[in-house]
Amino acid sequence: GENVEQHPSTLSVQEGDSAVIKCTYSDSASNYFPWYKQELGKRPQLIIDIRSNVGEKKDQRIAVTLNKTAKHFSLHITETQPEDSAVYFCAAKPSSNDYKLSFGAGTTVTVRA
Amino acid sequence: DTAVSQTPKYLVTQMGNDKSIKCEQNLGHDTMYWYKQDSKKFLKIMFSYNNKELIINETVPNRFSPKSPDKAHLNLHINSLELGDSAVYFCASSDGQGSYEQYFGPGTRLTVT
Repeated sequence: GENVEQHPSTLSVQEGDSAVIKCTYSDSASNYFPWYKQELGKRPQLIIDIRSNVGEKKDQRIAVTLNKTAKHFSLHITETQPEDSAVYFCAAKPSSNDYKLSFGAGTTVTVRA
Repeated sequence: DTAVSQTPKYLVTQMGNDKSIKCEQNLGHDTMYWYKQDSKKFLKIMFSYNNKELIINETVPNRFSPKSPDKAHLNLHINSLELGDSAVYFCASSDGQGSYEQYFGPGTRLTVT
């Protein structure tokens, strides 16, 4: 089955700086890669996703890049703000299964004011 | 207007007891899920139902039994609760029609003493 590894496990950045989280996946047939944000005590919520036919996607201060050859994808957050502090999860979906997401272990991001 | 709701929000019980968690979604989605999030924040898929049919059944002790009376509801019954069952259990749903986004419920924090 799909195995997703996520790094780093914790990330502390100064407000206004950028944050980058990287994930690798094992199943070359995976075709959908979402990122979820989970604030303390809250539910995970989708913040951005990318499909395998796209190399990069941007939404305001967040962007995701996908390298299918290397089987890795990254989340980039620019101009970080205190409200960006949360746990971020990457995930991958195999093309053979429209329902199953395999999640990475999560990255705890702390934005220092 | 809650999209995915769960009850109860908190559940404290003793080892050996049997308990249930209920989930309802009003998004009209066909697919529902149960995830377990342990103390290290790892999100692990347990079960998924599509139109009341079990489609994902991960390696979970058979003390855990899901039930989907209709496509808007997915319940989780746990028999003979153990200390290791303490976690946050999230219900989620997706429409399975080309959009793979999963919408999570608020979670149920289960504490077994």
